[in-house]
Amino acid sequence: GENVEQHPSTLSVQEGDSAVIKCTYSDSASNYFPWYKQELGKGPQLIIDIRSNVGEKKDQRIAVTLNKTAKHFSLHITETQPEDSAVYFCAASHYNQGGKLIFGQGTELSVKP
Amino acid sequence: SAVISQKPSRDICQRGTSLTIQCQVDSQVTMMFWYRQQPGQSLTLIATANQGSEATYESGFVIDKFPISRPNLTFSTLTVSNMSPEDSSIYLCSVEIYRHMNTEAFFGQGTRLTVV
Repeated sequence: GENVEQHPSTLSVQEGDSAVIKCTYSDSASNYFPWYKQELGKGPQLIIDIRSNVGEKKDQRIAVTLNKTAKHFSLHITETQPEDSAVYFCAASHYNQGGKLIFGQGTELSVKP
Repeated sequence: SAVISQKPSRDICQRGTSLTIQCQVDSQVTMMFWYRQQPGQSLTLIATANQGSEATYESGFVIDKFPISRPNLTFSTLTVSNMSPEDSSIYLCSVEIYRHMNTEAFFGQGTRLTVV
C-alpha cells in the first residue's frame, strides 16, 4: 500500500523567511497530493493541493511542487508570518478518491517574530 | 467547502464503556470517512462510512470495535466500543466534496477522547 514520508518533523524560521516541507510517496498510482494545516485544538484545514497533471501550483504565499518521476512533492511558504505556525500534513491518494488519504507524519512549523 | 459539525468536541470516559461520536454535514455528500489521530501523531483512516450499507474498514480496524452508522447523506456516527486508555485519540469526521472537477476532503474539528 501507499506510504508517505514527511520531513522535517519540526521547523523553526524567523518571520519573513521561507519554509519548505518535503514529502515522498511510494505508490506510483497516487495522483492527488493535498496539504493540510492543523492548528491546536482544530481539525485539519486544506490549504493547497496538486494533481499529477501539473508540476507546480501557487496560491499567494503558498506553493506546491510535484516530481512524479522521483515521487516527491514539497510545500513552500514564503514571507512567513507568526500565524503560519501550526502542524502541516502532506497526504496522497488515488484519483477520484480525494477523501481516502494516506498522511505523512506532520511538520510542526514555528515562525518566530 | 462544507460545514462539518462533530459532537461531542471532547469527552473523558471510563475504560470498558462506549462513546458514540456524531458527524453532521450541512449539505448532502456521497463519501464520508472517519480518521483517528493518536496524541502527537498523524491521521489514520479508520473506515469509509457508506450510506445504506456496512462501512468499509481499513486494515487494523474492525466493526466490533468501531461500529459506524450512515443513515443518510448528511449524517454519520462512529462508536468507540469497550474503550481502553489506548483509544485516547482525536477522532475526525471527513467528507469528500466534488469541486473544480475533482474531489477534495474537508474535516470536522474533531472529538478529543480521553479514556481513564
